[in-house]
Amino acid sequence: GAGVSQTPSNKVTEKGKYVELRCDPISGHTALYWYRQSLGQGPEFLIYFQGTGAADDSGLPNDRFFAVRPEGSVSTLKIQRTERGDSAVYLCASSLTLSNGDTQYFGPGTRLTVL
Amino acid sequence: AQSVAQPEDQVNVAEGNPLTVKCTYSVSGNPYLFWYVQYPNRGLQFLLKYITGDNLVKGSYGFEAEFNKSQTSFHLKKPSALVSDSALYFCAVRDMIKAAGNKLTFGGGTRVLVKP
Repeated sequence: GAGVSQTPSNKVTEKGKYVELRCDPISGHTALYWYRQSLGQGPEFLIYFQGTGAADDSGLPNDRFFAVRPEGSVSTLKIQRTERGDSAVYLCASSLTLSNGDTQYFGPGTRLTVL
Repeated sequence: AQSVAQPEDQVNVAEGNPLTVKCTYSVSGNPYLFWYVQYPNRGLQFLLKYITGDNLVKGSYGFEAEFNKSQTSFHLKKPSALVSDSALYFCAVRDMIKAAGNKLTFGGGTRVLVKP
């Protein structure tokens, strides 16, 4: 079946601009996660959703970052006033539930470059 | 807080030889442990996980991992490496305690290079 999809695959923007990154989880998965992977590092947690609500947003680096999941399926990560340090690959994952040990399945990521 | 260490940045192995990628972890409660593999310009692909039960976990593509609670380790192994196993491998942990939530904490990754 279809996996997690993310659009766009690449996004180049200028410092100070606003960007939106989209994630479409595996059908039927109720939990959705966002991670950020900087060059040469492992992914770092940003936020996760159970249904429509953000269950944990403790990984968001500052208030320029915001994510929504209005209908409990597709999610959008929004970054305001982008900075060069925001350049990274943004990974989305989904899991069937938030039950203990549920596997998180990752999408291919969106590579964000801020010039 | 939960953390993961992958002490080797790179592992080189000849094709057909055994492959081991090391991982140690730290959690407050008991761990859920995961291994993922990442090929160039691709997302993370799930290999295997330890939840409970047998300490030896078998996963995709002939990989296995052994959970060792006393050594807080979860090393990934493959008896006979293939050139196609060359990739970036990530170990991840999630603490079972409720306060930790559902987020995964990843190690820095180990690059595996299998030479023909």
